[in-house]
Amino acid sequence: SQQGEEDPQALSIQEGENATMNCSYKTSINNLQWYRQNSGRGLVHLILIRSNEREKHSGRLRVTLDTSKKSSSLLITASRAADTASYFCATAAITGNQFYFGTGTSLTVIP
Amino acid sequence: DTEVTQTPKHLVMGMTNKKSLKCEQHMGHRAMYWYKQKAKKPPELMFVYSYEKLSINESVPSRFSPECPNSSLLNLHLHALQPEDSALYLCASSQVYAPWEGFDEQYFGPGTRLTVT
Repeated sequence: SQQGEEDPQALSIQEGENATMNCSYKTSINNLQWYRQNSGRGLVHLILIRSNEREKHSGRLRVTLDTSKKSSSLLITASRAADTASYFCATAAITGNQFYFGTGTSLTVIP
Repeated sequence: DTEVTQTPKHLVMGMTNKKSLKCEQHMGHRAMYWYKQKAKKPPELMFVYSYEKLSINESVPSRFSPECPNSSLLNLHLHALQPEDSALYLCASSQVYAPWEGFDEQYFGPGTRLTVT
């Protein structure tokens, strides 16, 4: 399977703590994206990082990308109960015709 | 308007039925996508349309037939489905699909939850 792997599979933290999720993938990529999904509904795009970028910030989100290790991490700072969701990384392969989601991390933020 | 709408929200169909899923966006996006998502699994890409032409078919069985009548609409026609096709079907759109740049950020609809009996 070309699917990426995410760890941990599940993460439970207290409100105000930081949450870190990791994504490993197999192919060479053009970009890597992170999405959030609440309770089996539609996905919401969070951030896109290109293969020539190493770090990107958006509000409370920080994404890093290490193409040599084929890995990325998503950090959510000062988490809120509303951040409770599943988080997926998705890789756009350099071939241009493949887009694979990782296995996902289920985040629970306890108020 | 940054919304992608999908109808119906829920669909139950028998294996001999023919039904269609509909997706609509009014963001002026020229790329539209269908995904299938089984419970507790990540979405899997099925089809990509770019400028109303089919660009990617991820070896999807012919019982799923996509159609893009215009740049705002995307349909998925279903016929002779199997119980294992029960899943959440997600539609998405993006400004463009440009293979040399990689897939763009996508806007997803809420999905149609399909049950095949």
